[in-house]
Amino acid sequence: SYELTQPPSVSVSPGQTARITCSGDALPKKYAYWYQQKSGEAPELVIYEDNKRPSGIRERLSGSKSGTMATLTISGAQVEDEADYYCYSTDSGDNHRVFGGGTKLTVL
Amino acid sequence: EVQLVESGGGLVQPGGSLRLSCAASGFSFGSYSMNWVRQAPGKGLEWLSYISSSSSTIKNADSVKGRFTISRDNAKNSLYLQMNSLRAEDTAVYYCARETNRGADLDYWGQGTLVTVSS
Repeated sequence: SYELTQPPSVSVSPGQTARITCSGDALPKKYAYWYQQKSGEAPELVIYEDNKRPSGIRERLSGSKSGTMATLTISGAQVEDEADYYCYSTDSGDNHRVFGGGTKLTVL
Repeated sequence: EVQLVESGGGLVQPGGSLRLSCAASGFSFGSYSMNWVRQAPGKGLEWLSYISSSSSTIKNADSVKGRFTISRDNAKNSLYLQMNSLRAEDTAVYYCARETNRGADLDYWGQGTLVTVSS
């Protein structure tokens, strides 16, 4: 079955740039989406179609993609950015949606 | 305001069945595809099932194929997940989520309902 691979954790100091990667074989042809989930809350879409931000999402969150890897970048990370981040996409045949394993971002 | 409210979770014995519901409001439910996603305690998100706006297309994760059935009633603005042959590893918070019309992204989520499978 199709898989998206993320690092389990990323840690940065406040004000630094955090980068969370997501790799998958179908990403060259399929969009990547990113979700933020804070403790005890439902996930929230923060990036769609590789690099677009929904209304209300802070500009310091950005997305990019190159080949089989998508990247979520948080510029000038703040304590309030601490959360679990999940990438999401579809397999090459659009038969399945899939989440990456999630990355815990720590800002301290 | 878009709202999705799940219900039907609870404690069930292994091998048992449960039917989850998701009540939608604040948007034209019949115009959107919907999904179920779950999250086991302390674990990541797992996509389970997709249903198109007219129910003509259904997709399931391999982990639940043959056991879980997604359905919807557009007249009642409701989404369902029938879960059979439940196992301990099905213990999770179950979310319903709306899929945007532009692609596969899920733009609105409910708060989830907890299903516990235990004897």
